Amino acid sequence: NAGVTQTPKFRVLKTGQSMTLLCAQDMNHEYMYWYRQDPGMGLRLIHYSVGEGTTAKGEVPDGYNVSRLKKQNFLLGLESAAPSQTSVYFCASVNRVGRNTGELFFGEGSRLTVL
Amino acid sequence: QQQVKQSPQSLIVQKGGISIINCAYENTAFDYFPWYQQFPGKGPALLIAIRPDVSEKKEGRFTISFNKSAKQFSLHIMDSQPGDSATYFCAARASGTYKYIFGTGTRLKVLA
Repeated sequence: NAGVTQTPKFRVLKTGQSMTLLCAQDMNHEYMYWYRQDPGMGLRLIHYSVGEGTTAKGEVPDGYNVSRLKKQNFLLGLESAAPSQTSVYFCASVNRVGRNTGELFFGEGSRLTVL
Repeated sequence: QQQVKQSPQSLIVQKGGISIINCAYENTAFDYFPWYQQFPGKGPALLIAIRPDVSEKKEGRFTISFNKSAKQFSLHIMDSQPGDSATYFCAARASGTYKYIFGTGTRLKVLA
């Protein structure tokens, strides 16, 4: 059981380049999230999804887009990367029903550097 | 706007000592307060959680104390061990949703 898998784990971009981070979960969770983690800032919510085909903005959505075409996948896109987007990105999903309701399951992170 | 304030930013404790991390929230519309533990290079993982109708929850060496009137909650780690060295995040979930707000994190180091 893989849980939450993020790809790629590391990426270096130049300013203005675009890229997509992929998150896949095999737990049949409805809700999925993208967070960014920066020193002294904790985990800040970028976008989240409450189900296939739906997305919503979090605390820091500017400069990012997301898509949830399949229930198991949640994609985070950067159309024109900026140095301020240098961060570690975490995907998470949550179980709404049954055992461990409410527990966020995180991936291992994707470290992005924008030069 | 940080709705969950966490302190201290870093903490050094001797082996066997008690580690205490505090969080305060501003919005009263939260219904679930988890603590997450994160080791270097890994994603956060749920450590322990509490609901606002309970004042204390204990799991092994880890205890959450919750003060609803003061809008504060804290994590106590008893008999701290070097293996507890990690970053700890408190969080709060907005009522009726699955939207979580995290604190800024506390880096704990337990000296052997």
